[in-house]
Amino acid sequence: DGGITQSPKYLFRKEGQNVTLSCEQNLNHDAMYWYRQDPGQGLRLIYYSQIVNDFQKGDIAEGYSVSREKKESFPLTVTSAQKNPTAFYLCASTSHSGANVLTFGAGSRLTVL
Amino acid sequence: SQQGEEDPQALSIQEGENATMNCSYKTSINNLQWYRQNSGRGLVHLILIRSNEREKHSGRLRVTLDTSKKSSSLLITASRAADTASYFCASGGGADGLTFGKGTHLIIQP
Repeated sequence: DGGITQSPKYLFRKEGQNVTLSCEQNLNHDAMYWYRQDPGQGLRLIYYSQIVNDFQKGDIAEGYSVSREKKESFPLTVTSAQKNPTAFYLCASTSHSGANVLTFGAGSRLTVL
Repeated sequence: SQQGEEDPQALSIQEGENATMNCSYKTSINNLQWYRQNSGRGLVHLILIRSNEREKHSGRLRVTLDTSKKSSSLLITASRAADTASYFCASGGGADGLTFGKGTHLIIQP
């Protein structure tokens, strides 16, 4: 079945460490997105990519980095520069054709100890 | 920035009752979408209504759109315990994807 796979589902990190969250899709979607979700805050856009080897900052990109070396993959690195990284991270994708309906992964919950 | 705001923030009803949640947005839209999120899971697309539509149905879901008031409503009829989830409206559709509201947390009491 086609879909988006995020890993790991749960991740614990010590302060000062970088961590990378994986996002892989087999939907042949062109565009991929990373959102951050905090309680009561809804979803906020971190980074997005419309095409391989190109990506753009979203509303809260500081302290995060991404790469898009393959169409299927859009990993997110949470760096030590991110002041408050504990959150639920959601990856999504969509095709360029259509009405921009997003397909989401199951999410990764990052906790900084 | 948040494009949409859902109302109420939380809603608790008895099984079998209808649930209505509202969404307001700020800028002009091509379409408005509703998503559902079960606790600790990703979002799932429920329904999309285009800017030239006023009402749309899908199973037990009914969505309305009033572009003059920049608002939408989602009605779930004959609610079930499995409908317990958070519901988000979303709009946008440009290259930077969708902008989501903060969601309505719906609890269906058995």
